[in-house]
Amino acid sequence: GAVVSQHPSWVICKSGTSVKIECRSLDFQATTMFWYRQFPKQSLMLMATSNEGSKATYEQGVEKDKFLINHASLTLSTLTVTSAHPEDSSFYICSARDTGRTDTQYFGPGTRLTVL
Amino acid sequence: AQSVAQPEDQVNVAEGNPLTVKCTYSVSGNPYLFWYVQYPNRGLQFLLKYITGDNLVKGSYGFEAEFNKSQTSFHLKKPSALVSDSALYFCAVRGYSSASKIIFGSGTRLSIRP
Repeated sequence: GAVVSQHPSWVICKSGTSVKIECRSLDFQATTMFWYRQFPKQSLMLMATSNEGSKATYEQGVEKDKFLINHASLTLSTLTVTSAHPEDSSFYICSARDTGRTDTQYFGPGTRLTVL
Repeated sequence: AQSVAQPEDQVNVAEGNPLTVKCTYSVSGNPYLFWYVQYPNRGLQFLLKYITGDNLVKGSYGFEAEFNKSQTSFHLKKPSALVSDSALYFCAVRGYSSASKIIFGSGTRLSIRP
């Protein structure tokens, strides 16, 4: 199947700093990417839909100024957690939709963020 | 509105026995249905999907799922479970529109005992 990479796989940062997470579709172009957050033993919560060349669409309750999303190319979307706090600690997973061949969403391996 | 229900938080099966992980859905129109598997501290891996055609869909690692329109179900099955199948399984549904968002079930933890 198609491959989506995510970097870094884990990050530990101090409270108040910003963290950038990259999501890349490696063998297909993705006009649409998605960012999810997953709490322990829970399902995935959609945070935002990232559209190449336009502004992201955020789900209700997600602060757009805190979770900055940029989708500058057809293979790269970034999520920046600004002024991170301990409550932002979570597992963040990106996904890319392959609308060309399979019309299926493929997921990255996730990024474990720990804010001290 | 779209929704997905996975009624079992956990399913326990002995290695070598058949397994079933249940999923029911609600969506307007014809659904896209998916199963994903998640191993600890990893993202989701695509297992299989149903869009149209045969109701029995075969996927990765010997898994299959049966689409039942009258019961609005899409149960995941495998004839003979392996210990390595132990993981968290998510059922998901999406509408036909390219703008539709994928909705996940709450997940079912599958535990295969040797």
